[in-house]
Amino acid sequence: NAGVMQNPRHLVRRRGQEARLRCSPMKGHSHVYWYRQLPEEGLKFMVYLQKENIIDESGMPKERFSAEFPKEGPSILRIQQVVRGDSAAYFCASSPSQGYTGELFFGEGSRLTVL
Amino acid sequence: GQQVMQIPQYQHVQEGEDFTTYCNSSTTLSNIQWYKQRPGGHPVFLIQLVKSGEVKKQKRLTFQFGEAKKNSSLHITATQTTDVGTYFCARTSGGSNYKLTFGKGTLLTVNP
Repeated sequence: NAGVMQNPRHLVRRRGQEARLRCSPMKGHSHVYWYRQLPEEGLKFMVYLQKENIIDESGMPKERFSAEFPKEGPSILRIQQVVRGDSAAYFCASSPSQGYTGELFFGEGSRLTVL
Repeated sequence: GQQVMQIPQYQHVQEGEDFTTYCNSSTTLSNIQWYKQRPGGHPVFLIQLVKSGEVKKQKRLTFQFGEAKKNSSLHITATQTTDVGTYFCARTSGGSNYKLTFGKGTLLTVNP
C-alpha cells in the first residue's frame, strides 16, 4: 500500500534555476493538492488538480509557479527562476474524489533549498 | 477572516505531564481537523470534529470542539517522548476538505 510518493525529498538549487517537484497520488486517488510550508509556519494551500485539469489555483503565486497533472505520470510542481524565498517544504496530498470530506493524505514532502 | 489561531506556539513539558493546545477562530467552523507533524516529517491526520460540543478520544489524546464551533482543543495526558512534534489544527474553506487553512501549530517537546 504505497502512500503519496514525492520526489525528490531534498532539492538544492541556486537562484535563477528551475525546480521540479513530483507527486504520485495514492493508488485509486485521482485528486492532488499541493501545499507549501515555510519554516516554522503552517501549511498553505497552493493548487488542486485532477487529471489534465487545474481545479483551483487560488493559492499559487502569479509568477514563476505552475502545476500540472498529466493523463499519465505524476503531478509536477514547477518553480522557474527560483529565489531564496522559495525555500520551503512542498507537500502533496491526494484524495479519492471531489467533494471528499475526510482526511488529506500527505506525502513526505520535498524540501527545497535555494542558495 | 478565515484564519485559525493556535496557542501556545511552543510547549516544553517533562515526560508524564499533560499538554493542551488550543485553536480559535473568529468565525464559525464547519469542522476542524487536527494533524501531527514530527520534526522533519509530514503532517499526519489525527482526527476531524464536526459536531458542536463534540469530544473524541484516541488513547491519551482528547479532542474537543466548542459549543459555538469557534474553538477546539487537543489534550494529551501523561506525555511521552513519542508525542514530540508540532500539532496543527486546520479549518476547511468552502464545501470541500481540500482547501485547508492551517494554524501555525504548537511545537511540543518532551523532556525524558
